[in-house]
Amino acid sequence: RKEVEQDPGPFNVPEGATVAFNCTYSNSASQSFFWYRQDCRKEPKLLMSVYSSGNEDGRFTAQLNRASQYISLLIRDSKLSDSATYLCVVNENQYGGATNKLIFGTGTLLAVQP
Amino acid sequence: GAVVSQHPSWVICKSGTSVKIECRSLDFQATTMFWYRQFPKQSLMLMATSNEGSKATYEQGVEKDKFLINHASLTLSTLTVTSAHPEDSSFYICSGGRDSNQPQHFGDGTRLSIL
Repeated sequence: RKEVEQDPGPFNVPEGATVAFNCTYSNSASQSFFWYRQDCRKEPKLLMSVYSSGNEDGRFTAQLNRASQYISLLIRDSKLSDSATYLCVVNENQYGGATNKLIFGTGTLLAVQP
Repeated sequence: GAVVSQHPSWVICKSGTSVKIECRSLDFQATTMFWYRQFPKQSLMLMATSNEGSKATYEQGVEKDKFLINHASLTLSTLTVTSAHPEDSSFYICSGGRDSNQPQHFGDGTRLSIL
C-alpha cells in the first residue's frame, strides 16, 4: 500500500463547478498535512495546510479525519486558473523525532473547462 | 515568506558529465533541506534529506555515491549527480523551511537532460 494515496483523476469539470479531492495516508503517526498545487513543469506551491478542525481559505476548504486517516480538499466555484495537479502531502516524523519528511501523493490532475 | 532559490534551471550535457545543483535558502536558515526527483507524469519522490554539518540521509534505492549531497552552511545545500547518464534525466527539486515541521518551500527545480 502506498504511503499517501489519491484519486487518480484526471478531473474535467466546467467553470463554476465544485470539485472534491480525496486522500488517505497509511502512517497513523503522521503529524501534519498539506495540499500543494503543481502547475505543468513547475515546482509545487503550498496551497494550504490542513488542520484537525478543518479550515477554509476563500473557495478552498480542507478537512482532516485522523481516525480514518483521510484528508480532503474542496474547491468551490472553480476557475480556469485552478487547472493544475493537486498534491496531497503528509509530513512524517522520522528518526525518533529528529527530522520530518514530506511524503507526496501521486497527485490528481484538474482541468477546468470554459 | 520563506524563499528557496535553486540553480541552474536547465542543464543539458553529455553522458558521463557530473552536474552540480545548488539550493539556497534566501531569508532563513535551514538545518535540513530535502532533495526530490520527479519523472514525467509521476509525483515527487524524496531522494535524500540534507543535514547541515553532517551526512545526508538517503532514501531506499538512492545511491549515495551517485548523488552526492553537501550541506556545508545553513543556507546552501548542493546535489551533485556524478557521471550522469540518460536515465538520470529528470526534474530535480529541493525544498526547505524554517522548521522541518512547517510547510516546505520549493526551489524552482532543475531540468536535467543527459544526452
